[in-house]
Amino acid sequence: SQQGEEDPQALSIQEGENATMNCSYKTSINNLQWYRQNSGRGLVHLILIRSNEREKHSGRLRVTLDTSKKSSSLLITASRAADTASYFCATATDNYGQNFVFGPGTRLSVLP
Amino acid sequence: DADVTQTPRNRITKTGKRIMLECSQTKGHDRMYWYRQDPGLGLRLIYYSFDVKDINKGEISDGYSVSRQAQAKFSLSLESAIPNQTALYFCATSDPGRVTQYFGPGTRLLVL
Repeated sequence: SQQGEEDPQALSIQEGENATMNCSYKTSINNLQWYRQNSGRGLVHLILIRSNEREKHSGRLRVTLDTSKKSSSLLITASRAADTASYFCATATDNYGQNFVFGPGTRLSVLP
Repeated sequence: DADVTQTPRNRITKTGKRIMLECSQTKGHDRMYWYRQDPGLGLRLIYYSFDVKDINKGEISDGYSVSRQAQAKFSLSLESAIPNQTALYFCATSDPGRVTQYFGPGTRLLVL
């Protein structure tokens, strides 16, 4: 069963615009992470937010977490063509890794 | 991530054949994971290992087996491949106490 569900499934924007992706999950979590996957390649960790945090920033990335709504959002500001990729949220119910569940992903296309 | 390597990168095989996918890491991590990725379904956990003597089934272990030959090596076997095992397979590693996972480049497997 999938814990995280990203929304939208696909997003197409112009370079320079902001991109927002959402992730909803079903059960209580310990932490939530966002990963990026360039076409046909492995996933790369972007950012982690713990259940007691509400917002984190990393460069052009901003992640929010609302545990009452069981949802998270990933905002990429001033997008670039190189941001074109699939983005996945992954939820964990502990720090041990065995309950680490990925959503189906959002495919982002940034047009030059 | 060059610290996590997978071989082969691509493989075409026939139904009923035995296939082994190999993963090696130089990150010194104790924990290793095997996932499969299917279009629209995100990543699903097949097996994970927290050390050489610890092997655990994930969400979709049926039809697969694994071997942890050393801290740095974790192999996934399909004893008798079937077409619905056609997928992209990823190996990942993590450190105990840290939830971030580091992924290999993936193995694209096609079972005819």
